[in-house]
Amino acid sequence: GQQLNQSPQSMFIQEGEDVSMNCTSSSIFNTWLWYKQDPGEGPVLLIALYKAGELTSNGRLTAQFGITRKDSFLNISASIPSDVGIYFCAGTSYNTDKLIFGTGTRLQVFP
Amino acid sequence: DAGVIQSPRHEVTEMGQEVTLRCKPISGHNSLFWYRQTMMRGLELLIYFNNNVPIDDSGMPEDRFSAKMPNASFSTLKIQPSEPRDSAVYFCASSRDNEQFFGPGTRLTVL
Repeated sequence: GQQLNQSPQSMFIQEGEDVSMNCTSSSIFNTWLWYKQDPGEGPVLLIALYKAGELTSNGRLTAQFGITRKDSFLNISASIPSDVGIYFCAGTSYNTDKLIFGTGTRLQVFP
Repeated sequence: DAGVIQSPRHEVTEMGQEVTLRCKPISGHNSLFWYRQTMMRGLELLIYFNNNVPIDDSGMPEDRFSAKMPNASFSTLKIQPSEPRDSAVYFCASSRDNEQFFGPGTRLTVL
């Protein structure tokens, strides 16, 4: 099925570093969501974005809804070991409840 | 508040057997989604319901898969007969608006 282009595919960083990942789509979305999945668990919603240009923070996490409505990024500042996991972007188009998921970014944080 | 509840958490069965996965959505949510996750294909939407009515089942792989939602607090995903290629983690999610909340998943292994 349709998937969003998410990059990078994986990241290996040192504790304390900042992280940035992004998603792009060929079509316009009206909602962007960012999820984190830990091993053996379901994805957990981190941030939801509803307006083009919207910038939203949740603790050390910041996400933005791109002006073109075709992209979004997620930043994590001052990474810590518990940030380890897979991060997924997801979006919905108009007039549908279906979420289209990105391919995921696997984050590894070394102490 | 209880999140999305799925059972069983793990299921190991033999090829040809019937498998039934269960989901209890978050109270008050009017949409329910069934996903399948594999390493190769990522997160795939199988089917979703709105107000207990199936809206889009285009992701259901074949006739061996069926899903029901007899009331607002319960849904099942059935595979009959199961095949080894059905082995995956199956997630249920529910939402009231565009923000979907996932259950912990059922890890299915078909031998």
